[in-house]
Amino acid sequence: EAGVVQSPRYKIIEKKQPVAFWCNPISGHNTLYWYLQNLGQGPELLIRYENEEAVDDSQLPKDRFSAERLKGVDSTLKIQPAELGDSAVYLCASSLGSGRWGEQFFGPGTRLTVL
Amino acid sequence: GQQLNQSPQSMFIQEGEDVSMNCTSSSIFNTWLWYKQDPGEGPVLLIALYKAGELTSNGRLTAQFGITRKDSFLNISASIPSDVGIYFCAGLGYSGGGADGLTFGKGTHLIIQP
Repeated sequence: EAGVVQSPRYKIIEKKQPVAFWCNPISGHNTLYWYLQNLGQGPELLIRYENEEAVDDSQLPKDRFSAERLKGVDSTLKIQPAELGDSAVYLCASSLGSGRWGEQFFGPGTRLTVL
Repeated sequence: GQQLNQSPQSMFIQEGEDVSMNCTSSSIFNTWLWYKQDPGEGPVLLIALYKAGELTSNGRLTAQFGITRKDSFLNISASIPSDVGIYFCAGLGYSGGGADGLTFGKGTHLIIQP
């Protein structure tokens, strides 16, 4: 079974530039999450999707961050414009519903460096 | 955002020793999970705990869901070099729309000296 796929793995941009991250969850997983992980910290939730609906985006900085999950499968997270403080690892995770929500499976992440 | 209190922050041990780490929260969680993260990779699920008081093993790993639902611990027996990495605890709550995102601890960095 293929795991969660993310691309790119690394991205270096200058501040004020836009950037986008892509995630393909495990087949059949209806729930998709985007997390932000700063150096030396645990991941923190940005947004959660149930199928194509964003059911929890309370931690997403909406002035510059946006996300979409068209057709309830792949998802894209965008930052525009990027700031120096956005340098971090962006992790995508997915899970099944029906009582197994806790078992979230993570992709390798996209390491973003903003110069 | 909120993070769980995980301790110790780091551990330097000899190969073959047992390891113990724990996690506490001011909030109740319905599910506790333990993940391991290697450099440049995403967290990998080790153990999931769904009931208060539950004790679950996965090979040399044993984890328990605290009775109060506010804590959990992870033990690793007879450590080996590949156990090196960062271990995260995570708590999961449930809202009306389904399972919430995970709330993570800051991690325990395990270093093994041969």
